[in-house]
Amino acid sequence: QVQLVQSGAEVKKPGASVKVSCKASGYTFTGHYMHWVRQAPGQGLEWMGWINPNSGDTKYAQNFQGRVTMTGDTSNSTAYMELSRLTSDDTAVYYCARDRRWGSSSDAFDIWGQGTMVTVSS
Amino acid sequence: QSALTQPASVSGSPGQSITISCTGTSSDVGFYNLVSWYQQHPGTAPKFMIYEVNKRPSGVSNRFSGSKSGNTASLTISGLQAEDEADYYCCSYAGSSTFVFGGGTKLTVL
Repeated sequence: QVQLVQSGAEVKKPGASVKVSCKASGYTFTGHYMHWVRQAPGQGLEWMGWINPNSGDTKYAQNFQGRVTMTGDTSNSTAYMELSRLTSDDTAVYYCARDRRWGSSSDAFDIWGQGTMVTVSS
Repeated sequence: QSALTQPASVSGSPGQSITISCTGTSSDVGFYNLVSWYQQHPGTAPKFMIYEVNKRPSGVSNRFSGSKSGNTASLTISGLQAEDEADYYCCSYAGSSTFVFGGGTKLTVL
């Protein structure tokens, strides 16, 4: 079945970087954009950006420009999200989510990973 | 890009209908028919419920419906059931290949 499996929880110190992985299975990885969304404890969802795994093109939310890097490895159908210069405000669950449309970005995210908790603490 | 505005909470009794609003601007909700809705139970990932304002993906109950008027989109759940108790989030395309979520609404089934 179609699924996204993310890497495990991380604990990082302020100023460090974190890289979260999202392994896709059950569909053609290069056919769908991959989005990243985060959710701070007790808070709402925040869209971070997307990557087109076919071309490597990316689009980042303004809030994360200069701090986030999204990449994809087509050889193992895995997307990555790296966030640098972490602060306590970055403590959140990070989700990868597949765009529902084939070949382009649409309006919705139909398959979600299970989430990766990233804790930033000194 | 500011988050879309949703009520913090709504409630209803089993069998009733409720509506959750999602207010944006003429640059996002009002301009594009690209609003989606997600249901999230505690401790789990969001679930895709509605796309393109009012379309249901396969497998989603027809008790869930979406609509839009001006800068406000709405999710209506009819025939409320206990398992509908969850957080609900709207999301809109906001131009330039970007997206914005609402702040989320907690639905309580009384």
